[in-house]
Amino acid sequence: KQEVTQIPAALSVPEGENLVLNCSFTDSAIYNLQWFRQDPGKGLTSLLLIQSSQREQTSGRLNASLDKSSGRSTLYIAASQPGDSATYLCAVDQTGANNLFFGTGTRLTVIP
Amino acid sequence: DTAVSQTPKYLVTQMGNDKSIKCEQNLGHDTMYWYKQDSKKFLKIMFSYNNKELIINETVPNRFSPKSPDKAHLNLHINSLELGDSAVYFCASTHGSTGRLGETQYFGPGTRLLVL
Repeated sequence: KQEVTQIPAALSVPEGENLVLNCSFTDSAIYNLQWFRQDPGKGLTSLLLIQSSQREQTSGRLNASLDKSSGRSTLYIAASQPGDSATYLCAVDQTGANNLFFGTGTRLTVIP
Repeated sequence: DTAVSQTPKYLVTQMGNDKSIKCEQNLGHDTMYWYKQDSKKFLKIMFSYNNKELIINETVPNRFSPKSPDKAHLNLHINSLELGDSAVYFCASTHGSTGRLGETQYFGPGTRLLVL
């Protein structure tokens, strides 16, 4: 059964710092992997989606990488801002499972 | 212009009651989903409908019954509410049939259900 893990569970950084969030999954038979952002008391916003055939995707200050063989993905945030404070979730769409498997998230706090 | 909307946003109710949560998407998507997020922030899919047809039905109690009157709406009805049903319920939609092939999931704001 697919298991998705995100480490660390919480992270605090000063404004302006570059940071990396990690996501690992146990079954590499996936269609794609998505990174989401969840603001307190609000829904999820999709940030980036990486197909299984891709190595990375970029959107603005965000860059997500995927190493399917090792079961890892990273979300790189450049020049962090207080507005980046949120919980970041990764989710994998697993082959044959017809489902999205979510990690438990990393709660990011960017300190002004 | 809300893409995926849910009502109510908050729902506080007594154990044993029956309640419904509504979801609507104005994106013209074919597939809609219900997810449950527990107290540990873990998201788990419950149901998925494609064009009003049930395509995913995970292991949830049969007290939970989704209803899709048309492809823009997927409502969740819960009978005989229990304490363990307290959670945040998210509705989502995708353009395609199974959320694959590069389909991004669009989520609603969530409904916070508290069963007393």
